[in-house]
Amino acid sequence: GESVGLHLPTLSVQEGDNSIINCAYSNSASDYFIWYKQESGKGPQFIIDIRSNMDKRQGQRVTVLLNKTVKHLSLQIAATQPGDSAVYFCAVLKRDSGTYKYIFGTGTRLKVLA
Amino acid sequence: EAQVTQNPRYLITVTGKKLTVTCSQNMNHEYMSWYRQDPGLGLRQIYYSMNVEVTDKGDVPEGYKVSRKEKRNFPLILESPSPNQTSLYFCASSLIGGELFFGEGSRLTVL
Repeated sequence: GESVGLHLPTLSVQEGDNSIINCAYSNSASDYFIWYKQESGKGPQFIIDIRSNMDKRQGQRVTVLLNKTVKHLSLQIAATQPGDSAVYFCAVLKRDSGTYKYIFGTGTRLKVLA
Repeated sequence: EAQVTQNPRYLITVTGKKLTVTCSQNMNHEYMSWYRQDPGLGLRQIYYSMNVEVTDKGDVPEGYKVSRKEKRNFPLILESPSPNQTSLYFCASSLIGGELFFGEGSRLTVL
C-alpha cells in the first residue's frame, strides 16, 4: 500500500537560515501533495500544496518541490523565524476506485535556534 | 469564518462509558474524516465519509463508529472506550480531492 516517510524526525536551524524538510512517497500514481504545519496544542494548518503536473510551487517564504522520478517532496522555508518552530508533515492523496484517502508522514520537528 | 469545530476539546472518562465527539464544518465540504494522532505514529485515519450517508473504514476503525446524517456533521462515537483509545483526535473536511481543513483536536483520556 501507499506509504509516506520523512527523512528526519528533528531539524534544528539558526534563525535567518533556510530550512529544508523532506518527504518520500511510494505510489507513483499519487497526484496531489500537501504540506502541513502543526504547532503545539493545535490542529494541523495548511501551508502549501502541489499537484503532479507541477515541479515547483512558491508561496510566501515557502517553496514546495516535487520530484516524481524519485517520488520525493520537499518543503523549503526561507529566512526561518522563531514562529516557524513546529512539526511539519506532508500528506499524499491516494485515489482508489472512486474513494479518496490522505496518507500522512510522521512529521519533522523544526527547531529554530536564536 | 471557515472552520471545523470539534467538541469536547478535552475529556477524561472511564472504561466502558459511551462517549461522542462532535465535529461540524461550515464550508459545505463533501469529504469528512477522523484521525487519531499518537506519538511516533503520525495521523492515522479512523473513518471517513465521501458524502451524506456514505461512510467507510480507515486504517484503525476498531472500537469506533461514525454517522453522516447531515453534510456538516460527522460525529465520532466510542461505544465502550478502552485505555488504548487514549489519544488526540482530529476531525477534518475538504472538497473532494482538495486540501484538508482540520479542527483544533480533542484530547481524550480513558482511565
